[in-house]
Amino acid sequence: NAGVTQTPKFRILKIGQSMTLQCTQDMNHNYMYWYRQDPGMGLKLIYYSVGAGITDKGEVPNGYNVSRSTTEDFPLRLELAAPSQTSVYFCASSYSLPVGGSGDSTDTQYFGPGTRLTVL
Amino acid sequence: AQTVTQSQPEMSVQEAETVTLSCTYDTSESDYYLFWYKQPPSRQMILVIRQEAYKQQNATENRFSVNFQKAAKSFSLKISDSQLGDAAMYFCAYNNYGQNFVFGPGTRLSVLP
Repeated sequence: NAGVTQTPKFRILKIGQSMTLQCTQDMNHNYMYWYRQDPGMGLKLIYYSVGAGITDKGEVPNGYNVSRSTTEDFPLRLELAAPSQTSVYFCASSYSLPVGGSGDSTDTQYFGPGTRLTVL
Repeated sequence: AQTVTQSQPEMSVQEAETVTLSCTYDTSESDYYLFWYKQPPSRQMILVIRQEAYKQQNATENRFSVNFQKAAKSFSLKISDSQLGDAAMYFCAYNNYGQNFVFGPGTRLSVLP
């Protein structure tokens, strides 16, 4: 059980280039998230997904796109990279049960190791 | 909208001593989860402890415990017998059984030998 994996670990982009950050989870979690963390700051939600085929914007979605064709994968696409997108990107997943659900009712988020992106 | 506040940007503690990190939050919901996450220099986010709002008993995980005051909307983290490996950024987070996790700005904890 690898948990949440992210690739690549590091990447340097030139202004205007595009790239896709990969995220995969093997815990059969229905919810997945993308955050960015700027130096010395907390996490900001970019996009999230509550299940395959469903995505929605978070706090800072501009300049990014996502898709969720399978439960396991939630790639984040950067189009026309800008220096303001220099950040560390975290993917996370969680499994949500209705209120009062039994079994593993955790809503805990499990995080990937992060991708450090620099745009020059 | 829910908000999470951590009023201590930085804290320090002597090794083997006890330290308490503060967190307050704002919500109109009655059922929700609260979390403390640790982020060491490796930048990995690691779950420290979680608390369900409907439970009155404070959560405990080994040297980590919380003081959950629902009426005051306060959720502090106590670290006992602090170790050098506890040095990290600590984030308080809120989730109301929905898709949105709200994180506080973080508290940087230093552990002095």
